[in-house]
Amino acid sequence: DQQVKQNSPSLSVQEGRISILNCDYTNSMFDYFLWYKKYPAEGPTFLISISSIKDKNEDGRFTVFLNKSAKHLSLHIVPSQPGDSAVYFCAASYGQGAQKLVFGQGTRLTINP
Amino acid sequence: NAGVTQTPKFRVLKTGQSMTLLCAQDMNHEYMYWYRQDPGMGLRLIHYSVGEGTTAKGEVPDGYNVSRLKKQNFLLGLESAAPSQTSVYFCASSYLDTQYFGPGTRLTVL
Repeated sequence: DQQVKQNSPSLSVQEGRISILNCDYTNSMFDYFLWYKKYPAEGPTFLISISSIKDKNEDGRFTVFLNKSAKHLSLHIVPSQPGDSAVYFCAASYGQGAQKLVFGQGTRLTINP
Repeated sequence: NAGVTQTPKFRVLKTGQSMTLLCAQDMNHEYMYWYRQDPGMGLRLIHYSVGEGTTAKGEVPDGYNVSRLKKQNFLLGLESAAPSQTSVYFCASSYLDTQYFGPGTRLTVL
């Protein structure tokens, strides 16, 4: 049972345009959501997060939106840059203490010049 | 400040062999985690630790053991490797809500 799903394995966007990556979840207990970025042969690096008490969080070119009723979150990157080409993972957790993350399958984003 | 390091980077085992993967962090984090990543799948939590001397099971713990004898180190052991354990293994550590990942260990079991 995949509790966190990223239904698009890949996405191709032109440089300078907006990239929108989507993520759906099924467990209503999740109260904290994160996006990680991963380059080949490296570990994931934290990008941005959002608590379930918010519906939007912004950090520079990156904005995460949370729609709790639809159990859906999205990551917007604007403007997209070539260095944004990577695999993006959505992750979720709940409760206090150790952060037992549940990851989506990832979306490979390619930014074309 | 090296962050999270993992040893080794690559390893090939034969079925039935044993090995230990080492994770070290220099950020004084209490929490440490082991994940595995398989093709087309996200990372899945194997085991985690909330502090020195403690360990707990994650989502996919079978076939693995862990130990946290020192705060900065988290060891993942495979007692009798199986081909299904071929994967990329990532270690992470955290203080609050952000996990910092190591570069990964690519393990192949023949």
